[in-house]
Amino acid sequence: DTEVTQTPKHLVMGMTNKKSLKCEQHMGHRAMYWYKQKAKKPPELMFVYSYEKLSINESVPSRFSPECPNSSLLNLHLHALQPEDSALYLCASSQELRRNEQFFGPGTRLTVL
Amino acid sequence: AQSVAQPEDQVNVAEGNPLTVKCTYSVSGNPYLFWYVQYPNRGLQFLLKYITGDNLVKGSYGFEAEFNKSQTSFHLKKPTALVSDSALYFCALTNAGKSTFGDGTTLTVKP
Repeated sequence: DTEVTQTPKHLVMGMTNKKSLKCEQHMGHRAMYWYKQKAKKPPELMFVYSYEKLSINESVPSRFSPECPNSSLLNLHLHALQPEDSALYLCASSQELRRNEQFFGPGTRLTVL
Repeated sequence: AQSVAQPEDQVNVAEGNPLTVKCTYSVSGNPYLFWYVQYPNRGLQFLLKYITGDNLVKGSYGFEAEFNKSQTSFHLKKPTALVSDSALYFCALTNAGKSTFGDGTTLTVKP
């Protein structure tokens, strides 16, 4: 299985809602990533987990809260988002943190009303 | 600090012609360089990487890239472009676990 899956594919939420994005991989990768991508722009790194521990947090607002329950799963909990948070949220994984290529999921298209 | 530059927003080529998508980088230390492709409404797909060794790297779908340390460049090439190669291409640099992406180059291959 060489796939990273993400659910849901689309999400519309109000500014007072709480929702979660889910990411799963079964490639035995030990590093997992969350990115935010606006249209026609490069992905912006948000969080990196290595061996289930948060390794990098790129000064992301606290309304985004990552969680890595086990080596295959990565969640992103959303609360009190702003309309400017609307974007494509991409999850990725790699064998190790430093020098391996990343495998990306198809993303969750988030719209905040 | 590390950075990646893709100087061309758009590259247009005719099908059957060779293509080049340019990338330059800046980093202290040894670079780990990658090329990814993104089709509309999809995640990024890995094409190839340079870690160490041979400066000419071969990747998926007939793509290759040449690492040039003196020019700090890692240009993506393909000898014969296909219409299906039309997509958004990102060059990326990984250092200390952080990946930095270039702004992307939209490649359009016309029949």
